[in-house]
Amino acid sequence: GESVGLHLPTLSVQEGDNSIINCAYSNSASDYFIWYKQESGKGPQFIIDIRSNMDKRQGQRVTVLLNKTVKHLSLQIAATQPGDSAVYFCAENFSGGYNKLIFGAGTRLAVHP
Amino acid sequence: EPEVTQTPSHQVTQMGQEVILRCVPISNHLYFYWYRQILGQKVEFLVSFYNNEISEKSEIFDDQFSVERPDGSNFTLKIRSTKLEDSAMYFCASGLLLRGGRAGELFFGEGSRLTVL
Repeated sequence: GESVGLHLPTLSVQEGDNSIINCAYSNSASDYFIWYKQESGKGPQFIIDIRSNMDKRQGQRVTVLLNKTVKHLSLQIAATQPGDSAVYFCAENFSGGYNKLIFGAGTRLAVHP
Repeated sequence: EPEVTQTPSHQVTQMGQEVILRCVPISNHLYFYWYRQILGQKVEFLVSFYNNEISEKSEIFDDQFSVERPDGSNFTLKIRSTKLEDSAMYFCASGLLLRGGRAGELFFGEGSRLTVL
């Protein structure tokens, strides 16, 4: 979803469920994508990345899916834990640029026990 | 684990005053950045810096802003005459270009909160 000012879209899940956070990126020339997690009052923290020559990449409990046809990224978190509660941002890197990341609007993940 | 460090963590200033935010990037990184985040909003690109010069800047980064790498370790953001709307969290980041010119991960500091009164 799109963020509107202070009102970030929120995904609420039960502890132990799987979470899927979606992101639409803006530039078809982007060739590198990162998901960042941001806890309250802290800086963005790297979760997982993917290059445009791949459509799926797995990490520990996380999977990123890339659909270049519709310029869509998703982050799947397996067995969501309370410590996963944060705001999640996707970021894209424009090909040929100076490694500049452009951030998406963000989604707040709220994990309930 | 190497990290990006930023000081101060919080600065309160009067409108019209000059502010300098400081960052120590990760030592072997070559690209340095400032981003800003207004409360509750997304992280916005301000400026990137490579080879001792600005490589790109956003429309936010007007003449009131400047960056400097005064020595081999520090990277600073100066706001010459602060405005109320400059109140935000400012993040420093650093990164590498990988072999073949491929983009690599950016590492972010914990941020400096600027409050302009």
